[in-house]
Amino acid sequence: QSVLTQPPSASGTPGQRVTISCSGSSSNIGSNTVNWYHQLPETAPKLLIYSNSQRPSGVPDRFSASKSGTSASLAISGLQFEDEADYYCASWDDSLNGPVFGGGTKLTVL
Amino acid sequence: EVQLVETGGGLIQPGGSLRLSCAASGFTVSSDYMSWVRQAPGKGLEWVSVMYSGGITYYADSVKGRFTISRDNSKNTLYLQMNSLRAEDTAVYYCARHLAGLPGHWGQGTLVTVSS
Repeated sequence: QSVLTQPPSASGTPGQRVTISCSGSSSNIGSNTVNWYHQLPETAPKLLIYSNSQRPSGVPDRFSASKSGTSASLAISGLQFEDEADYYCASWDDSLNGPVFGGGTKLTVL
Repeated sequence: EVQLVETGGGLIQPGGSLRLSCAASGFTVSSDYMSWVRQAPGKGLEWVSVMYSGGITYYADSVKGRFTISRDNSKNTLYLQMNSLRAEDTAVYYCARHLAGLPGHWGQGTLVTVSS
């Protein structure tokens, strides 16, 4: 059971906009920033969003994210087949003194 | 360029010990927060341990008392000493450099399989 809650799956067709939610609590998302990662099969996670809404260099602006209260969300617009991957949210947890992750959302592009 | 290379994984019997290494380049391990994160086969990401730049360490409850995180500044390398290994410790272990307080840059991972 992951500390942060994500839907196990999401889907969309090319060109569509999809959102993935991430729910936490006051000890993590409610008081700390959120990162988002994507992971292709058999590869390491890769940073997609940091500090709630910042994109690292090289990440297309089709990817955006926001945080409100104890929840966060990732939005992917102009969906492409190459976006098919697992997506994870993470936040620092003040009770655990370490990062906590969501269970991951498998995005399927139909 | 920031690079993290994990080594040391392999097949180990239950109750055994293993030490993972994470060689860093492009930055100084002692200047940043560094974490070990693992991923069991077909499962999600699970944080294992963190070392602050000042040397303070924390562990997930599932590994507390069995795993030890450390670093060698002269080798710019992070370690994870894993003792009393259990089947449920089977996973790919990643080291990660923190960015803005959370894992940012990840290594390629090393597979640890605990089985008799």
